[in-house]
This record gives sequence, structure tokens and C-alpha cells, in this order.
Amino acid sequence: SQQGEEDPQALSIQEGENATMNCSYKTSINNLQWYRQNSGRGLVHLILIRSNEREKHSGRLRVTLDTSKKSSSLLITASRAADTASYFCATAYLDNYGQNFVFGPGTRLSVLP
Amino acid sequence: DTEVTQTPKHLVMGMTNKKSLKCEQHMGHRAMYWYKQKAKKPPELMFVYSYEKLSINESVPSRFSPECPNSSLLNLHLHALQPEDSALYLCASSQFQRGSTDTQYFGPGTRLTVL
Repeated sequence: SQQGEEDPQALSIQEGENATMNCSYKTSINNLQWYRQNSGRGLVHLILIRSNEREKHSGRLRVTLDTSKKSSSLLITASRAADTASYFCATAYLDNYGQNFVFGPGTRLSVLP
Repeated sequence: DTEVTQTPKHLVMGMTNKKSLKCEQHMGHRAMYWYKQKAKKPPELMFVYSYEKLSINESVPSRFSPECPNSSLLNLHLHALQPEDSALYLCASSQFQRGSTDTQYFGPGTRLTVL
């Protein structure tokens, strides 16, 4: 299976602390994307990192990609209560049929005030 | 406009009903997707349309029937569903460039309950 794995499955931190989530996958990818989902809502795209990139920043977010280890990490700095959500990585690749996306199991982040 | 809209927000149906979920985007995207998401699980890809043609069907039962009438609209027709089909159904769209993959934009989802 191409599906990514994420750890931890759940993470609870205090406001102001940093949160790190990890994602691993199994085969070659075109890019890896991170999404946030508030309870029972749609997914919000956070950041996309291409297979030839190693690190990317967006505001308080920092994503790294290590294609040799087939892993990625998402760091949220100076967390806020509003960051409480589930975070998913999604690996994007092409096969004979076209674009394909596979989501990891997700990390449920709770930021306590 | 970076919005994907889905209707209805909530749907309750019996196992003998026929209903449809609708999705719309006006970003000029040529790839559209249906996902199914159970509680506390990641989204699972069901169907992919590229240039209004079905390109991926992830072995979805025939009681789910997708339709892409034009580049902005995507429907999911439901018939004879089972209670285990209750889930959040998410629609997404992305630009389609041959040989590459792109950011997906998701709608808010339809919460489906099958009685």
C-alpha cells in the first residue's frame, strides 16, 4: 500500500509550545501535502512540498521531506488553541490512470490554553 | 474564488432511496475527486475525473455512481445504500497538468446517514 503513516496519532500540548508531526510513506511520490481538518469539516490545504525539495516554510509552519527515508515532518511553532484539529499528510503520485492521492491516518492535535 | 461548494450539508436516507450529492467549483480546475471519510479515519479516494472523464475508480460498489456533466460540476448518485455507507463525503478539485500532481481544494463535505 502507498498509504502514509503518521505519528503520533494524538498530541496534546500547551499554547505557545511547538508541535511536530511525522509522516512516512512507501513508494515514490510527486509531492507530499499537509492538510488540516477541524472536527467533521472539509480539509484545508496547508503546504505542498515537491519531491525535489527538502524544506518549506509558510508562516508558523515548517515542513521537511526526506525522500531517502520516505518521511516528512510538519512543525507548527508557537501553537495556538485555534490550531486544535486533525492533521493529515497526503502523498501524490501518478500511475497509469492519472493522479492519485493517499492520505495518512492523521494526527489529532489538541492545544490547551 | 478558491471555493468548492457541496450540497446538501446533511442527508439522511433510507436503504431504498435514490439521492444525489452535488459539488461545484469555479476555479477552472479540470480534475475533480470524491472521497469517503469515516469518523476518525483519513479520507479514502473513491473516484477521480480528469477533463470530465472518469480516470480512477477505486473499486467502489456500483450503488455509488459518479457523474461529471461539465468541468465545474461533479455529482455522486446514491442508490440502495447500506448503513455502513454512512460517512462524510468530500469533494475536491485541482488543476490538471499531465505528468504532475497539484494541490487539492476541498469542499466542506456532505454528512450522509443511511438508515
